[in-house]
Amino acid sequence: DAGVTQSPTHLIKTRGQQVTLRCSPISGHKSVSWYQQVLGQGPQFIFQYYEKEERGRGNFPDRFSARQFPNYSSELNVNALLLGDSALYLCASSLGQTNTGELFFGEGSRLTVL
Amino acid sequence: GEDVEQSLFLSVREGDSSVINCTYTDSSSTYLYWYKQEPGAGLQLLTYIFSNMDMKQDQRLTVLLNKKDKHLSLRIADTQTGDSAIYFCAALEGHQAGTALIFGKGTTLSVSS
Repeated sequence: DAGVTQSPTHLIKTRGQQVTLRCSPISGHKSVSWYQQVLGQGPQFIFQYYEKEERGRGNFPDRFSARQFPNYSSELNVNALLLGDSALYLCASSLGQTNTGELFFGEGSRLTVL
Repeated sequence: GEDVEQSLFLSVREGDSSVINCTYTDSSSTYLYWYKQEPGAGLQLLTYIFSNMDMKQDQRLTVLLNKKDKHLSLRIADTQTGDSAIYFCAALEGHQAGTALIFGKGTTLSVSS
């Protein structure tokens, strides 16, 4: 079975632009979470989505938004990019809304903002 | 809110045991995790422990949880050069039923032959 898949793997944007990152969860998993990992730091929670609804949000500005589709895949959008948005964006997949322990991450999308 | 602390570096010789330590602040965290990250890669789930357990063993990995001291450790037996990576401790944010994990800054494990 495929694991969590994310696209694109790498991308470069300039300040002020917008970016969309995509995630497909493990087959059978209905919850997707997004994390931001800045170089040298641990990941930080951005959003959790379950059944197409936002179920949790971290301390990120409104420039960050996400959505989940009927097939449980998800997109993360970041508007008005800043240099500080340069990071590895990780998607995590789990069975349901509540945590049962198994939370699997993808390989991430590495965003560079120039 | 929850805070997770880890030592930043650990260096061991191949064949030795490695012990990576972590402390957390929120005693209501129900799940605690260890993830491994190799250069340029995502996070690999190594193991997790539910807060009603004291110990969990999985092949070369042993997790110990001291709830009184809010201390978590990961022991890797017979450490190999392929174990060289960054290891992250993470705690499920207290009072949360979802998937908001709080991560430490990671411990870089260096294994020499």
